[in-house]
Amino acid sequence: DGGITQSPKYLFRKEGQNVTLSCEQNLNHDAMYWYRQDPGQGLRLIYYSQIVNDFQKGDIAEGYSVSREKKESFPLTVTSAQKNPTAFYLCASSSKHPEAFFGQGTRLTVV
Amino acid sequence: GEDVEQSLFLSVREGDSSVINCTYTDSSSTYLYWYKQEPGAGLQLLTYIFSNMDMKQDQRLTVLLNKKDKHLSLRIADTQTGDSAIYFCAEDFTGGGNKLTFGTGTQLKVEL
Repeated sequence: DGGITQSPKYLFRKEGQNVTLSCEQNLNHDAMYWYRQDPGQGLRLIYYSQIVNDFQKGDIAEGYSVSREKKESFPLTVTSAQKNPTAFYLCASSSKHPEAFFGQGTRLTVV
Repeated sequence: GEDVEQSLFLSVREGDSSVINCTYTDSSSTYLYWYKQEPGAGLQLLTYIFSNMDMKQDQRLTVLLNKKDKHLSLRIADTQTGDSAIYFCAEDFTGGGNKLTFGTGTQLKVEL
């Protein structure tokens, strides 16, 4: 089945550590996105990529990094520079059709 | 910058209609969307409307767009308990579903 897969579903990070969240899609979509969701704040765009080997900062990119070496994959690294990383992270992909498909999310908790 | 606003909560009785409202600031958006999020899950696209349309109906869902007032609404007819979720409106500024800006989400609670 075609879809977008995020892993892991739950992730715990110690302070000062970097962690990487995985996002894979087999929908042949060119564009991929990372959003952060906090209660009462909706979704905020972290990074997005419209084509392989290219990506742009979103509204809250500080403390995060991404890569887009393959069309199918858009991993997000939460670095130790991100001071408040506990949140629900959502990955999405889209084609030219006006619809973005979302993964099931990764809940990151700092312990 | 772009801003999309929604009320945070809505409570309705089962069988009643629900109306979820959204206001936005950017008039250059191409599409406006409604997404549904169930607890602990990702977002599911419910429906979308092209910015040159006033209304779109899809089974129990009716989307109304007032471009003059920059107001978007989602009406759910015959609301069921399974409709309980968070509903997000979103708009795009580059066309084609790219770089969506989301509202804060409206938590819909359906009571028996």
